[in-house]
Amino acid sequence: AQTVTQSQPEMSVQEAETVTLSCTYDTSESNYYLFWYKQPPSRQMILVIRQEAYKQQNATENRFSVNFQKAAKSFSLKISDSQLGDTAMYFCAFMKHPLLTGGGNKLTFGTGTQLKVEL
Amino acid sequence: DTGVSQDPRHKITKRGQNVTFRCDPISEHNRLYWYRQTLGQGPEFLTYFQNEAQLEKSRLLSDRFSAERPKGSFSTLEIQRTEQGDSAMYLCASSLATGRTEAFFGQGTRLTVV
Repeated sequence: AQTVTQSQPEMSVQEAETVTLSCTYDTSESNYYLFWYKQPPSRQMILVIRQEAYKQQNATENRFSVNFQKAAKSFSLKISDSQLGDTAMYFCAFMKHPLLTGGGNKLTFGTGTQLKVEL
Repeated sequence: DTGVSQDPRHKITKRGQNVTFRCDPISEHNRLYWYRQTLGQGPEFLTYFQNEAQLEKSRLLSDRFSAERPKGSFSTLEIQRTEQGDSAMYLCASSLATGRTEAFFGQGTRLTVV
């Protein structure tokens, strides 16, 4: 079974600053995906960024980037130039590779980090 | 298509009553998932469908829970004889089975059992 750990229940950052959210995971799989999802107060979960484990290059999406350390089983999210709209709960999630492992696309989530962007 | 929609958004029920939730996935998505999220926790997987077939159920899905996806389109999640411990947000998500497989989530149904 897979586990995902987010050790920072809450974080805050000043607008325009940079913040890093931590995530570690445990798995015996070698092929998998990792995701960061954002859940704003309206509660709809939105995909922020995804990383395929076989890719060494860290994924980036505009102001969002990850630091993927496969050997250390670490997957942190960096948000640059933080904006008020980034205020949300952020979840790290793991998914076994659906085609290579035969599993469905089900996600295993961490407990989340509540990020508050302040003026 | 505006994404995954769930109905109702909120449901308050008395202990022992039955409740049913509905999820309409993104139209071209053949996979549909149900998750449960309690306060302060991340979502936990309950079950998923590929088309109309229910392919996996979590041990969290007790005998009081049943899910269906007739004709491979919308899905329903029914909870019979609700208990206070069933109070949670129930999230539905959908995805493609191949290619870009990331899940898109609905806004959830908040269930409160009193």
